[in-house]
Amino acid sequence: GEDVEQSLFLSVREGDSSVINCTYTDSSSTYLYWYKQEPGAGLQLLTYIFSNMDMKQDQRLTVLLNKKDKHLSLRIADTQTGDSAIYFCAESTEGSYIPTFGRGTSLIVHP
Amino acid sequence: DADVTQTPRNRITKTGKRIMLECSQTKGHDRMYWYRQDPGLGLRLIYYSFDVKDINKGEISDGYSVSRQAQAKFSLSLESAIPNQTALYFCATSATRRPLDEQFFGPGTRLTVL
Repeated sequence: GEDVEQSLFLSVREGDSSVINCTYTDSSSTYLYWYKQEPGAGLQLLTYIFSNMDMKQDQRLTVLLNKKDKHLSLRIADTQTGDSAIYFCAESTEGSYIPTFGRGTSLIVHP
Repeated sequence: DADVTQTPRNRITKTGKRIMLECSQTKGHDRMYWYRQDPGLGLRLIYYSFDVKDINKGEISDGYSVSRQAQAKFSLSLESAIPNQTALYFCATSATRRPLDEQFFGPGTRLTVL
């Protein structure tokens, strides 16, 4: 079945850029998402990209999509301690209604 | 007020006990979901419901049951709890209208089975 893979941990220094990577297997993915889970809270949609787009930028966030390689990345510029959280990559296809989530990447931001 | 609420937020119980986790939403969404989160395993779908009369099993439904009492309420039951059901449980909702399948999550229930 469909699969979404991402590394489990990323550690960065405050002020640096963070890049979280994700790969997926379903070539018919229509939407790709990044969710953020802060400590003690549920997941919240951070950003998303349509499969017909290559890039989406929203303030400090940049999402890059390489459909050929089925690779999605989330770049956070000027990473702050408040960005420390678990980031989940997810994808959904037309007609599936339910996103498939990756295992989540724990981003640790240290001074 | 939170759009998706879960009760209780924390629960410690013993093996063999019956447990019910409750979820309520004020978003007016038809679709509701139950997930469990385990460290290193991410989110796994337990059950989902696309409307009050529609209940579907997810990838890990064994040992769980659900009830959709109303559009706004979706409960998860563990008939006879076992220690490997210790996890963080999330309820989520989504809108029927397409195209984006954004899910809205509750704050979670941390369940410990001793």
